[in-house]
Amino acid sequence: DQQVKQNSPSLSVQEGRISILNCDYTNSMFDYFLWYKKYPAEGPTFLISISSIKDKNEDGRFTVFLNKSAKHLSLHIVPSQPGDSAVYFCAARNTGTASKLTFGTGTRLQVTL
Amino acid sequence: DVKVTQSSRYLVKRTGEKVFLECVQDMDHENMFWYRQDPGLGLRLIYFSYDVKMKEKGDIPEGYSVSREKKERFSLILESASTNQTSMYLCASSFLRTSFTKNIQYFGAGTRLSVL
Repeated sequence: DQQVKQNSPSLSVQEGRISILNCDYTNSMFDYFLWYKKYPAEGPTFLISISSIKDKNEDGRFTVFLNKSAKHLSLHIVPSQPGDSAVYFCAARNTGTASKLTFGTGTRLQVTL
Repeated sequence: DVKVTQSSRYLVKRTGEKVFLECVQDMDHENMFWYRQDPGLGLRLIYFSYDVKMKEKGDIPEGYSVSREKKERFSLILESASTNQTSMYLCASSFLRTSFTKNIQYFGAGTRLSVL
């Protein structure tokens, strides 16, 4: 039962344009959401997060939007740069559990010149 | 800077061998986690630990065990390696959840294990 879904396995965007990565979840008990970026041969690194009491969080070129009624979050990268090419995972924390995160399957972003 | 170190980047083992994957963190984190990453399946939690000698099963614990004798070290053990355990293994650590922490997990670089 995949509680966190990233339905697009891959995405290609031109440099300078906006990248939008999507994530859907099914569990209403999720109260905190995170995005991680992973380069090949490296571990995932934390990118940005959002609490369920907010609908937007911004950090430089990265903005995460949360639509609780739709159980949907998205990561916007503006402008996209070649160094953003990586696999992006969304993750969610269940308010009822300790410190576990549930991860999505990932979206591979390629930013082309 | 948080550092999570996994002892090996690549390992090749034979079916039936006992395999140890080691992970050390230097941030005094209470929580430590073991995941495996497979194409199309994302990161799946195998086991985690929230304190020394404490462990809890994750989503896919079958065929694995763990050991946490010291706060900074968390070991994943494959009792009898099988080919379906060929995967990328990732260790992570975080502070214990409180209302003042974001529960960010910090990851090691991963161990790519091949079981032949």
